Order: sequence, then C-alpha cells, then structure tokens
Amino acid sequence: QVQLQESGPGLVKPSQTLSLTCTVSGGSISSGGYYWSWIRQHPGKGLECIGYISYSGSTYYNPSLKSRVTMSEDTSKNQFSLKLSSVTAADTAVYYCARAPYRGGALDIWGQGTMVTVSS
Amino acid sequence: QSVLTQPPSASGTPGQRVTISCSGSSSNIGSNTVNWYQQLPGTAPKLLIYSNNQRPSGIPDRFSGSKSGTSASLAISGLQSEDEADYYCAAWDDSLNGVVFGGGTKLTVL
Repeated sequence: QVQLQESGPGLVKPSQTLSLTCTVSGGSISSGGYYWSWIRQHPGKGLECIGYISYSGSTYYNPSLKSRVTMSEDTSKNQFSLKLSSVTAADTAVYYCARAPYRGGALDIWGQGTMVTVSS
Repeated sequence: QSVLTQPPSASGTPGQRVTISCSGSSSNIGSNTVNWYQQLPGTAPKLLIYSNNQRPSGIPDRFSGSKSGTSASLAISGLQSEDEADYYCAAWDDSLNGVVFGGGTKLTVL
C-alpha cells in the first residue's frame, strides 16, 4: 500500500529556508492523477493547507504563503518537496505530506509528520 | 481564524450519540464536498468521511456525515473511549483555490 514519509531538518534558523521532502513508497507520484500536498499544524492548533503539486507538476499554493512557498517533484526518486523561505518563529509547526485522489479531493493518505522548529 | 467553523469541544458518555457541526460559506461547503478527519493524540490525521457521507474502508459505520447548504455534520453513535480525539472538517474553497479546514473539535468521552 502507498505510504508517505517526511524528512528534513528539525531546526531552521530565522530568515532561512525550510526544506522538506516527502518520499512516496508503494506507488508512483506521476501516475494515477493524484495531487500531493503539504499540510502544517502549529503546536496545539488546527490544520493549515500549504499547497498541492499535481501528478503533472502543476502547483497550487495557499495565498497567505504563496510568496514564500515552492513545491517541486522528483519523479526519479518518487519524491516531492516543499521549500518555505524567510521563515520566522510563526512557521514552527508539524509538517505533514498527504495525498489526494484529485484536486480538492479528500486527503486519503498522510505521512506521520515532522516537527520543524524555527529558532536561532 | 479558520475558514470553516467548528465548536472547539464536544463530549459524551460511552454509548451515546454525538454530533459535531461545521459551518462554511457558498465558496466552500456550499459548492464542494466535505471531508472529515480524526486525529488521535500524537498522531497524524486520518480520513474519516469523504464526499460528505462516504466512509473509507475500515471506518466503522458508527461514523456518519451529512451536508446541507453551507453546513455539515459528523455524527458518532455508540460512542467509545477510543473515539476521544480531535475532529476536523475540510472542503475545497473556490475563492481561495485551496483546501480549508475547520479549527477542530476536541471530543471527550466522559
């Protein structure tokens, strides 16, 4: 079955760029028409969608983060990635990658999440 | 401030039926389907209900969803202690061109 696993630094300095990768196993990110997303959860708070990258490489970003977000995919490694620039303490959160069967569809498979702390 | 509105908390005793509401607008719930997620303490969210009222494989039929206009509800019947978790509603928002979530409802089983 398909599984997702986030990886990346757990600590990022303010003003730097947060970089995370989601490795997909058990299925190809370029087939099936899926949308691959990043969701974050601030400590003790609710969920926030950062954006999606589609099976064809099209991207959709949360307007509140759009100026700082870049998503990409590496089909050869079956991975997709998130870069969030100019981070501040407000970007401290658990970051999840997840899969949707189509644009706007339910997020049916989630990674376990990775905690990222922004601190000097 | 979440785009979708949920009550911050709900509670019930074992065996009871509880409902959690989710209110939105014409650009999200009013024109798109609603999904519900369950997040047990310290774990990633899990899809509980999709397309308003469909259950993924493995989700007990104690969980049900409904939608009317710009609001949706999650109902849990035969409440069990293991249902104690945070529950989130979500929907695509045509204006924001992205998924929006409710603020989450913490369910306590008394």
